[in-house]
Amino acid sequence: RKEVEQDPGPFNVPEGATVAFNCTYSNSASQSFFWYRQDCRKEPKLLMSVYSSGNEDGRFTAQLNRASQYISLLIRDSKLSDSATYLCVVLGDSSYKLIFGSGTRLLVRP
Amino acid sequence: EPEVTQTPSHQVTQMGQEVILRCVPISNHLYFYWYRQILGQKVEFLVSFYNNEISEKSEIFDDQFSVERPDGSNFTLKIRSTKLEDSAMYFCASSVDSGYTFGSGTRLTVV
Repeated sequence: RKEVEQDPGPFNVPEGATVAFNCTYSNSASQSFFWYRQDCRKEPKLLMSVYSSGNEDGRFTAQLNRASQYISLLIRDSKLSDSATYLCVVLGDSSYKLIFGSGTRLLVRP
Repeated sequence: EPEVTQTPSHQVTQMGQEVILRCVPISNHLYFYWYRQILGQKVEFLVSFYNNEISEKSEIFDDQFSVERPDGSNFTLKIRSTKLEDSAMYFCASSVDSGYTFGSGTRLTVV
């Protein structure tokens, strides 16, 4: 089983749509979780951390279900500028290494 | 905002040659990392570095690779005897704890 698994997409949605991405992780001992955004041929950039209670940052909402080892990201009112690859990331159990999923590609069309 | 700086942005090298990728981490960060992303694939951890020594390395990070912090600011990744399959984006990152900052990457092309 992959350490972090995501649907690769692409998700092709119109502007203004709501879109949700899911991710599962294999290590039940994992403690910290993140969503990163990566534009084509650029470095990953932190979008938001994911907390057990769920957290929201503007149009973005992240949820964590530890029992199911499942993480989600909801984007409301999609903008053209949201087009990117969204990476589900889990903190490894030593030395702060990050374990990346393969990413879910989002295309927002006018 | 503090940045992690990587040079060069693009390096083309002949198969079998040695390359050194350079990074200047954020000055008050304690942990330094190299990650690799082959085109179309996921970002993969290579190595972490703390207190002037490797703290963890992946299976990818074999004897072909080495890291060094030669002075107080630079953090380098050396790849010896490059192979075609070493072609990738190499990202340097630094952190205080789990709060990472990535550099913009070096695109390595082995021909």
